[in-house]
Amino acid sequence: EAQVTQNPRYLITVTGKKLTVTCSQNMNHEYMSWYRQDPGLGLRQIYYSMNVEVTDKGDVPEGYKVSRKEKRNFPLILESPSPNQTSLYFCAVIPVFSGVGGDRGPNEQFFGPGTRLTVL
Amino acid sequence: DAKTTQPPSMDCAEGRAANLPCNHSTISGNEYVYWYRQIHSQGPQYIIHGLKNNETNEMASLIITEDRKSSTLILPHATLRDTAVYYCIGGNQFYFGTGTSLTVIP
Repeated sequence: EAQVTQNPRYLITVTGKKLTVTCSQNMNHEYMSWYRQDPGLGLRQIYYSMNVEVTDKGDVPEGYKVSRKEKRNFPLILESPSPNQTSLYFCAVIPVFSGVGGDRGPNEQFFGPGTRLTVL
Repeated sequence: DAKTTQPPSMDCAEGRAANLPCNHSTISGNEYVYWYRQIHSQGPQYIIHGLKNNETNEMASLIITEDRKSSTLILPHATLRDTAVYYCIGGNQFYFGTGTSLTVIP
């Protein structure tokens, strides 16, 4: 089973101070994704990556950047964090990716433990 | 995007079967139904998926109606550790709604 790690697990920062949340997987899975979770809104996808150097926007990409220079890592970058980015963040991987539409097979996602970010 | 509808909360007595319904009336013919759960604020955990047939694994059973417009996740003998938010995904595999908060009562 895929193992996904995130660091840090908790972070309190101030508005405008650049930060990076790391996500790392223990296998060579192609698909990685970032979500944020806010009360009453469920999980919303921020960015995803289908392979090295291939990234794309999810539903709520504003204020975030990502990079995928190697398969195992997919960092989430907040260049100038704002209080509305206070949230719980999850990284996820899909071991055997069958396309965004999922029409060639199932895409079970495995999630990291989460990073709770507070921006003051 | 295909969306799902789930009751916001449910209770279940410990040891009894928990039946969690989900409506996914706009699901396309080749889209899977997935179920995940999230305990407290931990990362969501994959439970099961299905396309047309009913499925069972060590965690749960998934019953999908013949028209595929709805499904039911069954936890056959609920324990206190099954208290969690359960998410049904039918269609857009990256859309997690607000799920059903299941409370297992001693």
